[in-house]
Amino acid sequence: SQKIEQNSEALNIQEGKTATLTCNYTNYSPAYLQWYRQDPGRGPVFLLLIRENEKEKRKERLKVTFDTTLKQSLFHITASQPADSATYLCAPSGSARQLTFGSGTQLTVLP
Amino acid sequence: DAGVIQSPRHEVTEMGQEVTLRCKPISGHDYLFWYRQTMMRGLELLIYFNNNVPIDDSGMPEDRFSAKMPNASFSTLKIQPSEPRDSAVYFCASRPGGVYNSPLHFGNGTRLTVT
Repeated sequence: SQKIEQNSEALNIQEGKTATLTCNYTNYSPAYLQWYRQDPGRGPVFLLLIRENEKEKRKERLKVTFDTTLKQSLFHITASQPADSATYLCAPSGSARQLTFGSGTQLTVLP
Repeated sequence: DAGVIQSPRHEVTEMGQEVTLRCKPISGHDYLFWYRQTMMRGLELLIYFNNNVPIDDSGMPEDRFSAKMPNASFSTLKIQPSEPRDSAVYFCASRPGGVYNSPLHFGNGTRLTVT
């Protein structure tokens, strides 16, 4: 069955450092992958989409990579700030109209 | 644009009672999704609609759950009878049609507690 795995542990990093979050998937071949941010008590908010033919995508301090051979996406936040503290969810998807989400990684940026 | 609007924000009910959750999607969005989030299982898709028609309800846990979308601006998720294991945060999301990978827009959820 299809499976999505994100960093199993919560991630704590120091302000100013680069945070790297991992999303691994098995048993399917997504045509694209989306990343969302979720704050406590709120719904997820879309951040970035990367297609299978794109190796890397950037938006301000965010960078996403997509390796279809490794079946993995990496999500980087450079120059991290306490305001980046949140849970980050990945959602690989193919032609299906619905999205399936990973369980998320809780990131805490320490001042 | 007010975004996806869900009500109520919090619902506390006793086991056996009927619960109705409501969602107003973003105007013009053709797809509407209902998700449930728990610590144990994460964010799970329950059902989704395209142009008010249910397309896939395979995620609905059992017959106690039902969802309707009577028009393009309103959807409900009903649980009857409710059980303590239904306690979770229920999210509604919508997205436009056309481009199949357009991002989802989520509401802020309804936190349901069944005692």
